[in-house]
Amino acid sequence: DAGITQSPRHKVTETGTPVTLRCHQTENHRYMYWYRQDPGHGLRLIHYSYGVKDTDKGEVSDGYSVSRSKTEDFLLTLESATSSQTSVYFCAISETFPRTDTQYFGPGTRLTVL
Amino acid sequence: GENVEQHPSTLSVQEGDSAVIKCTYSDSASNYFPWYKQELGKGPQLIIDIRSNVGEKKDQRIAVTLNKTAKHFSLHITETQPEDSAVYFCAAKNTGFQKLVFGTGTRLLVSP
Repeated sequence: DAGITQSPRHKVTETGTPVTLRCHQTENHRYMYWYRQDPGHGLRLIHYSYGVKDTDKGEVSDGYSVSRSKTEDFLLTLESATSSQTSVYFCAISETFPRTDTQYFGPGTRLTVL
Repeated sequence: GENVEQHPSTLSVQEGDSAVIKCTYSDSASNYFPWYKQELGKGPQLIIDIRSNVGEKKDQRIAVTLNKTAKHFSLHITETQPEDSAVYFCAAKNTGFQKLVFGTGTRLLVSP
């Protein structure tokens, strides 16, 4: 999985609790992404980062925030989890220009919100 | 924004047969088209990609074709094997932007 780890790999939580997912890379790639995967929707971009402290929204960013204080770590936070955020979350990375197109994915985190 | 449609949603073939998965995209500015394979419980893995200046690309048993005029691209797997069974995703991207838009996936089942 291209030097990408995600933690935790599985989590069960209750509605209304905060949750933070971590993505760690050892490739020193500039770009990092968070996706969610749901049946019938493929993978949808939540947020991405183009450098330390530089982030931007994806297509399904409502209810999520992100932070990147180091090149190797990208955190996804659900401030108050809801059942609609039950999903599998994937982190991805890509290199700097001109090879920014190719994204490599981590193993995923399965989150269940009860 | 970009929209990617993928068909079929499921595909069953016999071992040794060929499999074809098709995708269409909406944004004519998209110029990068990767294909990912996802096995159960794992993250998507890039298997092949193509850029808009190329019409076809091959890598052993897999190939991808691109028709820019019609805005569609296809994945071809020849001599399928049981280990090809997985979910396959197509995606499209404009190199000028960081957003990769995915199709909804095709579950391929190869029976021995």
